[in-house]
Amino acid sequence: SQQGEEDPQALSIQEGENATMNCSYKTSINNLQWYRQNSGRGLVHLILIRSNEREKHSGRLRVTLDTSKKSSSLLITASRAADTASYFCATDVNDYKLSFGAGTTVTVRA
Amino acid sequence: KAGVTQTPRYLIKTRGQQVTLSCSPISGHRSVSWYQQTPGQGLQFLFEYFSETQRNKGNFPGRFSGRQFSNSRSEMNVSTLELGDSALYLCASARDGISYEQYFGPGTRLTVT
Repeated sequence: SQQGEEDPQALSIQEGENATMNCSYKTSINNLQWYRQNSGRGLVHLILIRSNEREKHSGRLRVTLDTSKKSSSLLITASRAADTASYFCATDVNDYKLSFGAGTTVTVRA
Repeated sequence: KAGVTQTPRYLIKTRGQQVTLSCSPISGHRSVSWYQQTPGQGLQFLFEYFSETQRNKGNFPGRFSGRQFSNSRSEMNVSTLELGDSALYLCASARDGISYEQYFGPGTRLTVT
């Protein structure tokens, strides 16, 4: 079973709009990571946020983490066509295993 | 520096055969993890190796095995292939383990007929 679950499963937005997706998980974590995957290719690391952090930024990306609610959100601002991809959250189930959610598919319309 | 490489990129095998996939991590990375990705099950953890030792294994049958060499390169083997083994197999390398960002290879697309 998967530790993390993303919501929504799919998202369609206009270029320039913001995209927000959420991730909920079940057990305590040391860190949470977000990845992007373009059309069946390898995953690209976006951001890692540790359990003692509440918010992190990287360029147009903003990630929040609420350990009391066991949830995280990823915000992409001013979206571009190149942001069209699937986005996954991943949590460390234990020290040696990373568990991925089912992903959110984002489509950015020109 | 060079990224994670996986060979072969595409593979077609027949049910009952066995297959070996290879992964070369980023230079200096000692941790290599393997994942199976299918439309129905998503990304499933297979195993993680660090300095030639398997530190964790996912919920896969014994037909799935792997190893890591002294130069950190890793191989995974699937014996007695089944139709359900058709998937994208991804490997990822990291500096010291899963608490660090993972660098993924492009994957090997395995089709079992």
